[in-house]
Amino acid sequence: DGGITQSPKYLFRKEGQNVTLSCEQNLNHDAMYWYRQDPGQGLRLIYYSQIVNDFQKGDIAEGYSVSREKKESFPLTVTSAQKNPTAFYLCASSMVAGAPDTQYFGPGTRLTVL
Amino acid sequence: GDSVTQMEGPVTLSEEAFLTINCTYTATGYPSLFWYVQYPGEGLQLLLKATKADDKGSNKGFEATYRKETTSFHLEKGSVQVSDSAVYFCALRGGANSKLTFGKGITLSVRP
Repeated sequence: DGGITQSPKYLFRKEGQNVTLSCEQNLNHDAMYWYRQDPGQGLRLIYYSQIVNDFQKGDIAEGYSVSREKKESFPLTVTSAQKNPTAFYLCASSMVAGAPDTQYFGPGTRLTVL
Repeated sequence: GDSVTQMEGPVTLSEEAFLTINCTYTATGYPSLFWYVQYPGEGLQLLLKATKADDKGSNKGFEATYRKETTSFHLEKGSVQVSDSAVYFCALRGGANSKLTFGKGITLSVRP
């Protein structure tokens, strides 16, 4: 089955630790995205990548980092510099970044920082 | 910049009631418009979309019409079911290489 997988579903970390969230897609999509979801605030874009080895900051990139070494993978690292990292993180992909194309979402990772 | 405004929630309805969820937008040019649905504990799923003025998107009994004159994309369903209980997000995508802009989402609860 084609789709987007995110792992793990739940993640707990101590304050001050970096943590990496996985996102993999087998849809052969060019573009991938990371969003953060907080209650009552909708989704906010963290980073996006339109092609391998290239990525751009979204609206709330501070305290996060990404890499795009392979077309199918777009891991997100939440660093200790992120002031309030507890949130639900969603990864998405779309076929062609520049077209009015649909974004498909993964199931999400809920990160809790203790 | 682009923005999406959704009506305040949450919304609670009885089964078989009529549903309207309002969505208005601000954007330059001619955006594409989307409704996404999020069931508890899951990611978002595309519910329907419209890419130009007067287009009507429809899926699973839900409909929304792209109204350029009122900059709106209201979601409607004639008879809701308990299984429609979820969070609904309106979103737009502007021109080429543009990101999705989401509304804040609204929680719908349907009582048996």
